[in-house]
Amino acid sequence: DAGVIQSPRHEVTEMGQEVTLRCKPISGHDYLFWYRQTMMRGLELLIYFNNNVPIDDSGMPEDRFSAKMPNASFSTLKIQPSEPRDSAVYFCASTGARVNTEAFFGQGTRLTVV
Amino acid sequence: KQEVTQIPAALSVPEGENLVLNCSFTDSAIYNLQWFRQDPGKGLTSLLLIQSSQREQTSGRLNASLDKSSGRSTLYIAASQPGDSATYLCAVSPTGFQKLVFGTGTRLLVSP
Repeated sequence: DAGVIQSPRHEVTEMGQEVTLRCKPISGHDYLFWYRQTMMRGLELLIYFNNNVPIDDSGMPEDRFSAKMPNASFSTLKIQPSEPRDSAVYFCASTGARVNTEAFFGQGTRLTVV
Repeated sequence: KQEVTQIPAALSVPEGENLVLNCSFTDSAIYNLQWFRQDPGKGLTSLLLIQSSQREQTSGRLNASLDKSSGRSTLYIAASQPGDSATYLCAVSPTGFQKLVFGTGTRLLVSP
């Protein structure tokens, strides 16, 4: 398996624009997570899905953020409208259904909002 | 609210030294603790996962211990190498399904 695949790797956009980040989890994994990493706050969980269903979105900072998982092999994180303070590295991770299994992370998307 | 702290924030050592990275967490109700490595501009790579019922896990030159009651974990790296230079993150899982709470990280530099 190629691991968790995220696209794009880098995104530069202007304030107010819509941004869509994409993630393909490892095949067969039941859980998918979106994290955000900043210098100030470190790594924070935004939302996670189990079998394509959102379970906990309490980490989503504002209504400008939304995430979907239309099928087991694809998820998106959308920011609309984007703001400079959204600049961060966004990671997607997936894991299997058994308790105490490792999480596998994608390479991340570095988002810069100017 | 679970909080995870790592000490030191940065560490610089000469090649060949044995070293210890520390991780502490405030809520002992965890399912497991995981140590990750992050290289600049890259994602996270899982190094070791310790279940709450376990005391330690070993992989090659790495050994991680867990004292759940005191809220502490250590990552021991033996005979450090320049290739070990990276940021090391610990994370605890309160639910067992990898809803991870991450520590602040230790940036390690191993000089040749």
